[in-house]
Amino acid sequence: EVQLVESGGGSVQPGGSLRLSCAASGFTFSTYWMHWVRRSPGEGLVWIFSINGDGKTILHADSVKGRFTVSRDNAKNTLYLQMNSLRAEDTAVYYCVREDCSGGHCKKFDYWGQGTLVTVSS
Amino acid sequence: DIVMTQTPLSSPVTLGQPASISCTSGQSLVHSDGNTYLSWLQQRPGQPPRVLIYSLSNRFSGVPDRFSGSGTGTDFTLKISRVEAEDVGVYYCMQGTHFPYTFGQGTKLEIK
Repeated sequence: EVQLVESGGGSVQPGGSLRLSCAASGFTFSTYWMHWVRRSPGEGLVWIFSINGDGKTILHADSVKGRFTVSRDNAKNTLYLQMNSLRAEDTAVYYCVREDCSGGHCKKFDYWGQGTLVTVSS
Repeated sequence: DIVMTQTPLSSPVTLGQPASISCTSGQSLVHSDGNTYLSWLQQRPGQPPRVLIYSLSNRFSGVPDRFSGSGTGTDFTLKISRVEAEDVGVYYCMQGTHFPYTFGQGTKLEIK
């Protein structure tokens, strides 16, 4: 069974840092693109990062450029999101998402973690 | 960025009746590989989103056949043939053709 379990969320002051983790199981992690998507009350669902299977191709949203980084450890089946210089507008539930690319159809966000809440407030 | 516009934003529906949600993109979502990467997601209260429809009209595994997706390059529709109580939640369209991937604002489906 495919499982994605996020951790590392919490409350932090503006300017602070957090590192989110996403533990994957039930599939060959290293062969899948993975994504981070967040949901905030003001913005709805927003895609922020994509990383390919070997971690060498990374795409990011402009809103997190220079502040957030994504990485993965395929030996540990874990995806990471390092968040620095956090702002109030980064307050959101952060989801780890798997992309399936079978049958000639990519961009299929087929499994989502339960999400981890990040609250940025003074 | 591609703007995805959903209508309506709220949809009260009677159990057993059909429902329809529209989504319009700011530009064509037909990819160079010929696919149209438009998905529909459902988010039930307290749950993460889950994919219902991918690549315009393909129903994801385990999704009831009362859900269907259709559309052209910029105009898309999710239809529920007969709404059931478990369908309550927020529905999002999402485009995966152009980076950055973008989502619609969400449509809240509720029972009258």
